[in-house]
Amino acid sequence: GQQVMQIPQYQHVQEGEDFTTYCNSSTTLSNIQWYKQRPGGHPVFLIQLVKSGEVKKQKRLTFQFGEAKKNSSLHITATQTTDVGTYFCSGNTGGFKTIFGAGTRLFVKA
Amino acid sequence: NAGVTQTPKFQVLKTGQSMTLQCAQDMNHNSMYWYRQDPGMGLRLIYYSASEGTTDKGEVPNGYNVSRLNKREFSLRLESAAPSQTSVYFCASSDLRGVAEAFFGQGTRLTVV
Repeated sequence: GQQVMQIPQYQHVQEGEDFTTYCNSSTTLSNIQWYKQRPGGHPVFLIQLVKSGEVKKQKRLTFQFGEAKKNSSLHITATQTTDVGTYFCSGNTGGFKTIFGAGTRLFVKA
Repeated sequence: NAGVTQTPKFQVLKTGQSMTLQCAQDMNHNSMYWYRQDPGMGLRLIYYSASEGTTDKGEVPNGYNVSRLNKREFSLRLESAAPSQTSVYFCASSDLRGVAEAFFGQGTRLTVV
């Protein structure tokens, strides 16, 4: 069945360093979403990518969707302590069944 | 502006007991989902409902049943709880027309002893 793999599982950075998490699907995706979950909280939607090769930016966050629509990345420039949390990707293949990756937990040391 | 409301927030069950987790959304979304979240496992889809009157199995449906009572409500039932079902459960809803943004409830932390 459809699988979504996310790496790394954990990342420790010094405040000001960059951070990247990668998402890889076993099947071609119709679209991909990214979420952030703060410790003890619930996932909150960040963005959706739909087009092959799409790149979107939100302030210090850059999201990319691969040309084959099977992989994606989230890059944070100059991390801040407010970036702490777990970042999830999710996707579906055109139906209603949305599968999440296992997430990358980001730790930021001030 | 409630969004997605889940009850209860916390629950402790003994092995073999049953319970129903309730979820309601007020955004007129067609699709609703139940996920469980375990450390290092991310969010795993238990069941989903594409629209009122339909339900489908997700990745980990064994030991659970669901009911889409109406467009607003989607409940998750554990008939005979097991320690392996100790987890945090999230309900979510989305309108898959356009942006497939899912809105999540606050979660239910369930412990089965």
